[in-house]
Amino acid sequence: GDSVTQTEGLVTLTKGLPVMLNCTYQTTYSPFLFWYVQHLNEAPKLLLKSSTDNKRTEHQGFYATLHKSSSSFHLQKSSVQLSDSALYFCALIYGNEKITFGAGTKLTIKP
Amino acid sequence: DPKIIQKPKYLVAVTGSEKILICEQYLGHNAMYWYRQSAKKPLEFMFSYSYQKLMDNQTASSRFQPQSSKKNHLDLQITALKPDDSATYFCASSQVGYQDTQYFGPGTRLLVL
Repeated sequence: GDSVTQTEGLVTLTKGLPVMLNCTYQTTYSPFLFWYVQHLNEAPKLLLKSSTDNKRTEHQGFYATLHKSSSSFHLQKSSVQLSDSALYFCALIYGNEKITFGAGTKLTIKP
Repeated sequence: DPKIIQKPKYLVAVTGSEKILICEQYLGHNAMYWYRQSAKKPLEFMFSYSYQKLMDNQTASSRFQPQSSKKNHLDLQITALKPDDSATYFCASSQVGYQDTQYFGPGTRLLVL
């Protein structure tokens, strides 16, 4: 069935290092992918979204490219900051009326 | 001013009781959603409404019933509460549908004893 997989549950990095959070999906429909970020004790907020193949989308230093050939929408940042510590969710919209979320990746940045 | 209001912020309930979680949005959006977040499932989609009509229901239990009395309201009634229902319930809204950016409310934290 239609699904999203985030392979890493927990990622811990030192400030200043690059990060890539994996997101792969499975659907027979034309995909629309989102990344949401949730800081501690806050509500989720949209970080990025895309439905265009091979086009990089960026926001607040984070970027992702939808690759339909590999069914992926990995989230990246070249240099993480302490404030990037949060829970990150990848979400898939399929069939225009269905949405499913990945299990989330908790990113912890150390000084 | 908060654009999405959820009431109450915290709620403690007894097993078997019934509660209603309130959600109002003042963003002029036509689509509203309910999500649940717990230790077991980080973020779980429950319902979506568009123009006050149910679009999608991914909640297995009929104990959860959304109620849309007005275009900008989508309350969540939960009956026969169980301890497993303990979670934070987020309401969200978007302009028309899923492909629009969803804005989340602050959440209602429910504890069922």
